Amino acid sequence: LAKTTQPISMDSYEGQEVNITCSHNNIATNDYITWYQQFPSQGPRFIIQGYKTKVTNEVASLFIPADRKSSTLSLPRVSLSDTAVYYCLVGEGNSGYSTLTFGKGTMLLVSP
Amino acid sequence: DAGITQSPRHKVTETGTPVTLRCHQTENHRYMYWYRQDPGHGLRLIHYSYGVKDTDKGEVSDGYSVSRSKTEDFLLTLESATSSQTSVYFCAIRKPSGTTDTQYFGPGTRLTVL
Repeated sequence: LAKTTQPISMDSYEGQEVNITCSHNNIATNDYITWYQQFPSQGPRFIIQGYKTKVTNEVASLFIPADRKSSTLSLPRVSLSDTAVYYCLVGEGNSGYSTLTFGKGTMLLVSP
Repeated sequence: DAGITQSPRHKVTETGTPVTLRCHQTENHRYMYWYRQDPGHGLRLIHYSYGVKDTDKGEVSDGYSVSRSKTEDFLLTLESATSSQTSVYFCAIRKPSGTTDTQYFGPGTRLTVL
């Protein structure tokens, strides 16, 4: 699976938009990009997944440039409850994904 | 809600004792996974299953065994627990998500080996 690189931590304030960028230079043609959120003492929670361009759901947006070597998770108007660790993963979306390799993720701290 | 439960949620045991953790799903998905999470290491795959009686090793399988005798249950066994196996254990299932698949995680089991 392609390796990902993301910032170790980020700080923000309530109401701001937060963008977390993930690098995945050796992403393969069949790989999808998936983001998870994890709160303390809970399992990771699926946020969003995409292959190219832009994907939006009720929680976040995912921007993927044409070369797909990076992706950006965008959280609009964060609140204190968005404080969590965010993981970026790449892998085969519909046939592989037999295993997922989690990195250390990005610790997002939202302050009042 | 991905319909995944784990039991027990917390367990304290002594070195050398056998321990079995259970993951139960209600949706009959084919793929199930066991991870452990430790500070500084993120989540690491222990074993996974791609069907009844079909399992394979992950990144950190030493000291662990698994069994899947029916679709809904995936058991993780520590034959002789060691202090290095103190961790939080997460089970996951793989299910369709839009045009592809993704993994959904259970609530976790906190295991302490004294």
